[in-house]
Amino acid sequence: GESVGLHLPTLSVQEGDNSIINCAYSNSASDYFIWYKQESGKGPQFIIDIRSNMDKRQGQRVTVLLNKTVKHLSLQIAATQPGDSAVYFCAEQFKAAGNKLTFGGGTRVLVKP
Amino acid sequence: EAGVAQSPRYKIIEKRQSVAFWCNPISGHATLYWYQQILGQGPKLLIQFQNNGVVDDSQLPKDRFSAERLKGVDSTLKIQPAKLEDSAVYLCASSRTFNTEAFFGQGTRLTVV
Repeated sequence: GESVGLHLPTLSVQEGDNSIINCAYSNSASDYFIWYKQESGKGPQFIIDIRSNMDKRQGQRVTVLLNKTVKHLSLQIAATQPGDSAVYFCAEQFKAAGNKLTFGGGTRVLVKP
Repeated sequence: EAGVAQSPRYKIIEKRQSVAFWCNPISGHATLYWYQQILGQGPKLLIQFQNNGVVDDSQLPKDRFSAERLKGVDSTLKIQPAKLEDSAVYLCASSRTFNTEAFFGQGTRLTVV
C-alpha cells in the first residue's frame, strides 16, 4: 500500500530497543494531547492521550510525557516490535480555538529485525 | 462497537468534476471531523461539527468544498469543482465530545487527474 510517511523524519530502531518520538506543539493553551499511529492505507489509530494537568501517563508499553514549559510532548515505546513500524502523529486540542483537534507533522518509525 | 464508516474507499475523477464522500460516525458521538491528508503530511482539519452545528471551518476552501451533517449523525463532504491539488486521503473522525478520544475511519483516497 501507499506509504503515508514518504517525506517525514524517520526513526530507525532495533527490535527490542526502546523508542522515543518527540513532538513540539504550537499553543501553550492546549489542554488535551493525543498520540496516533498510522499504518499505510489506514486511518490514524489512537495510542494514548494526556491532559494538560498531567506530566506523565502510562499505557501498555507506551508512556507519554508532557513538558508544558517548553511545549514538548514525547512518546516512549518500550521493547519496540516490528508491528510498531508506522507513522506517529501528535495532536493537540484547546478550548480557545473551539476545541479544534490539530495534528503535528509526524515521525516515521522503522523497526529493524 | 462499530467504528467510523466511510465510503467510497477510492475515487478517481477528472479535474473540474464533482465528488462526494460519506461518513457514518460511531453511534452517540456528538463531534465529527473531516480531515484532508496529503501524502507525506499530517492530517489537516477541514471542518468540525458538534452535533449538526459547525464548530470550525476556517481551513475549508469554501469556494469549492462544502460539508453538512444533517440530523447530527451522518455527514457528507463535497468538492465541486475538483482541482489536481485536491488529490489526498479524506479522513472522517468522531468523538463522544470535545477533549475525548477521536476515532478515525479508513479514509477515502481521492485522485484527481
